[in-house]
Amino acid sequence: AIQLTQSPSSLSASVGDRVTITCRASQGISSALAWYQQKPGKAPKLLIYDASSLESGVPSRFSGSGSGTDFTLTISSLQPEDFATYYCQQFNSYLLTFGGGTKVEIK
Amino acid sequence: QLQLQESGSGLVKPSQTLSLTCAVSGGSISSGGYSWSWIRQPPGKGLEWIGYIYHSGSTYYNPSLKSRVTISVDRSKNQFSLKLSSVTAADTAVYYCASGYYTIFGVALDYWGQGTLVTVSS
Repeated sequence: AIQLTQSPSSLSASVGDRVTITCRASQGISSALAWYQQKPGKAPKLLIYDASSLESGVPSRFSGSGSGTDFTLTISSLQPEDFATYYCQQFNSYLLTFGGGTKVEIK
Repeated sequence: QLQLQESGSGLVKPSQTLSLTCAVSGGSISSGGYSWSWIRQPPGKGLEWIGYIYHSGSTYYNPSLKSRVTISVDRSKNQFSLKLSSVTAADTAVYYCASGYYTIFGVALDYWGQGTLVTVSS
């Protein structure tokens, strides 16, 4: 089964900072990668699909890039409501896998 | 827009079977191009995909759970269900149901239930 490794596992940042989170797949998955945001006590929310497509209603400060095995989620200017945990998710051979998560905390 | 709501027992004894149902409103569970997933999250940990059922009825499961999992659909009630057998304390988690739509390259989970905590304890 394909494994996803996210880095870092946590980071501290300030409002207005540019933040980048990385997700690496154990084998190539083309662009079959999505990103989710989860706040405490809430269900995850879809942000990005197909590696770089922004889900409807998601602010444009979120962007995704990459293909094959290496992917990034970028928040161009961190806002107070963006402090949360972020997960990547892949789809390959009818199976899904999530990354371990990256917690974005306030510096 | 879709709304999903989990229901079921919040406390299950070890070795017994966990049973949850996800009621779907705002759309038909028989809609083409959609799959219906279960995902869980142990307290303080990350997300784990359990499996999904496609609108056609085909099922796909996490290989690590496959021997214990059954996902089924009740089209008359517009809901789908999860059964996880032989549970242990390691199965204690918040269980989410979610809808997944097929994109160009994969599957994106766009609507989620609020989640329900299931505790395995005697």
